[in-house]
Amino acid sequence: QQQVKQSPQSLIVQKGGISIINCAYENTAFDYFPWYQQFPGKGPALLIAIRPDVSEKKEGRFTISFNKSAKQFSLHIMDSQPGDSATYFCAASNSGAGSYQLTFGKGTKLSVIP
Amino acid sequence: NAGVTQTPKFQVLKTGQSMTLQCAQDMNHNSMYWYRQDPGMGLRLIYYSASEGTTDKGEVPNGYNVSRLNKREFSLRLESAAPSQTSVYFCASSARQKALYEQYFGPGTRLTVT
Repeated sequence: QQQVKQSPQSLIVQKGGISIINCAYENTAFDYFPWYQQFPGKGPALLIAIRPDVSEKKEGRFTISFNKSAKQFSLHIMDSQPGDSATYFCAASNSGAGSYQLTFGKGTKLSVIP
Repeated sequence: NAGVTQTPKFQVLKTGQSMTLQCAQDMNHNSMYWYRQDPGMGLRLIYYSASEGTTDKGEVPNGYNVSRLNKREFSLRLESAAPSQTSVYFCASSARQKALYEQYFGPGTRLTVT
C-alpha cells in the first residue's frame, strides 16, 4: 500500500516558468513532510520541509503548500532554471512512531528547458 | 567531513553470490538507513537502525541482512543475490536530537545481478 502518492511522474517546464509537483498522503499520523532533490548519479538531498501546523513555507524560489484537511502538499518552484532539472521526491514521517522512518513518493523527473 | 560514504560504487554479481555493502558516516548520527531505488518506484526502506545496537525491518527486507557494527558503520548483506535485487542502494543517516529528521544520503552503490 503506497502511503504517499506523487504526481506527475515527469514534468517539462520552460525556463522562468513555475514547476508544481503534488503529493497526497493517507496516514493522518504523518507530521513531517520533506522534499528531496536528486541529481543523476547522486544521492537525494533535503530541499525543504514543512510541519502540518503551517500552511506554507518558502525558501528562496522553493515553496511548500500544505492542506491538512485534504491531506495534500505540493512543491512550487518559481522562476524555474535549467539547473533545477532533477528528480524530486516528496516524503512523510510520523515522529510519534519513534523510528524516524521516511515514506517516499515515487518521484517526479523535472526538466527545465531554456 | 566526508558525510556518508558507501563502498563499492559499482558491483556486478552472479545469481547466488553474496556480498556486503558498506556504509559509514562521520556526523555522529544515531540513526542509519538502507534504501533501494528502482525506476518508477522511488526509495524503499530495506532496514534501519534507530540507534547503535538496534536494527529493524523496513518495507522490503526480504533477501537482506544488516549489521550496525558501531555508531559510524551500517552494512547491508545479500546472502544469495537474485536478479530482482538489481538496484541502486543508498545508505542514509540522521540525528535524533532537536527533532531533526533530515536524512543525509550517501552517493549510492549500483548493483547488477546477472
